[in-house]
Amino acid sequence: NAGVTQTPKFRILKIGQSMTLQCTQDMNHNYMYWYRQDPGMGLKLIYYSVGAGITDKGEVPNGYNVSRSTTEDFPLRLELAAPSQTSVYFCASSSRDRDEKLFFGSGTQLSVL
Amino acid sequence: QKEVEQNSGPLSVPEGAIASLNCTYSDRGSQSFFWYRQYSGKSPELIMSIYSNGDKEDGRFTAQLNKASQYVSLLIRDSQPSDSATYLCAGRCGGGNNRLAFGKGNQVVVIP
Repeated sequence: NAGVTQTPKFRILKIGQSMTLQCTQDMNHNYMYWYRQDPGMGLKLIYYSVGAGITDKGEVPNGYNVSRSTTEDFPLRLELAAPSQTSVYFCASSSRDRDEKLFFGSGTQLSVL
Repeated sequence: QKEVEQNSGPLSVPEGAIASLNCTYSDRGSQSFFWYRQYSGKSPELIMSIYSNGDKEDGRFTAQLNKASQYVSLLIRDSQPSDSATYLCAGRCGGGNNRLAFGKGNQVVVIP
């Protein structure tokens, strides 16, 4: 009964480093999303995917890349980390039915120093 | 104009009172609206969805949608300390894409 699993929970990066945030869901959801949440702000969509092999940009894609080789996995890649990427990152999935409930992972707190 | 706006500051309500939250949206094509609750340091969880004009009740929560005026509201009756959280309004954007637009959220503090 895992749902959406994100790793790591916390990470500190130096400017210019790269890393991959992992996201896995076991609900066989077609739709997966990456959001970032800055303090006191709502969620901003970085990238989303409607199925394996299909990804698209959200509101704030610059500095990030994604891939979706399987239904279960949707990793987010940060290249050349910048302080502006300090944020909490949430992965989410949905079955895209009418209820459109998003199931969120527990989040990754990322600091770029 | 932002797609979904929540402009009210933190809301403090005494235990047992009604908490009222409002949200406006800019896209007249938006059809689906959602309220998510987010406890501090946790991920958001869906508490209400609404698609039609009018009211939708679920326990102590009532969501209201007025498409003509382009606003969505959430009422929390008999507020409990466990309701203290940030409430995020979200609306599905029109234009055939799959994106939910979120407001910045309203913090609710229920005072025992």
